[in-house]
Amino acid sequence: SAVISQKPSRDICQRGTSLTIQCQVDSQVTMMFWYRQQPGQSLTLIATANQGSEATYESGFVIDKFPISRPNLTFSTLTVSNMSPEDSSIYLCSVPPGGSYNEQFFGPGTRLTVL
Amino acid sequence: GIQVEQSPPDLILQEGANSTLRCNFSDSVNNLQWFHQNPWGQLINLFYIPSGTKQNGRLSATTVATERYSLLYISSSQTTDSGVYFCAVTPYSSASKIIFGSGTRLSIRP
Repeated sequence: SAVISQKPSRDICQRGTSLTIQCQVDSQVTMMFWYRQQPGQSLTLIATANQGSEATYESGFVIDKFPISRPNLTFSTLTVSNMSPEDSSIYLCSVPPGGSYNEQFFGPGTRLTVL
Repeated sequence: GIQVEQSPPDLILQEGANSTLRCNFSDSVNNLQWFHQNPWGQLINLFYIPSGTKQNGRLSATTVATERYSLLYISSSQTTDSGVYFCAVTPYSSASKIIFGSGTRLSIRP
């Protein structure tokens, strides 16, 4: 398994501002993933964060809106830029510590409210 | 892309009842996981079960990969079982990406 922490756990932000969410893992992992969960909905993959290369974004998500950093094998950040109320969601990071195709574990999430 | 459908979408039960949650997927998968999301939003790993049957206390799960479905059984429900249960799969075509179903919202009444 993996121990994953996220900061902040929750935040309330004004529209037009940006928030950076941090994800820290207790072991080195090749791949880290960022998900969004809008109110009452399921989880949707935003992007795959690769160490040493640019993140890979899913359809409907763009780097200008959700820039991602992956400076090393235990840490990643997701920034939600130029926020609007529609960005109010839970943002979660996840890792497959056993490698590709194996069980994934999720951080506790960041609950974001945009006013 | 692969479709993951869960049923029922909502389930309300009395404490002590048993329940079966279903997950259907439209294509072959490398693995399948069941999660419980508690009221605080935390996703808790229940089972990693690409095939076969596993049991953990009052919970058990069965995946029949050839028929593209999985079942989660909850026996003797407790109020702490309330929350949303998600099935998530990794398609053969997508290394490590997991696709979530829409979830089953379970409410256990005392």
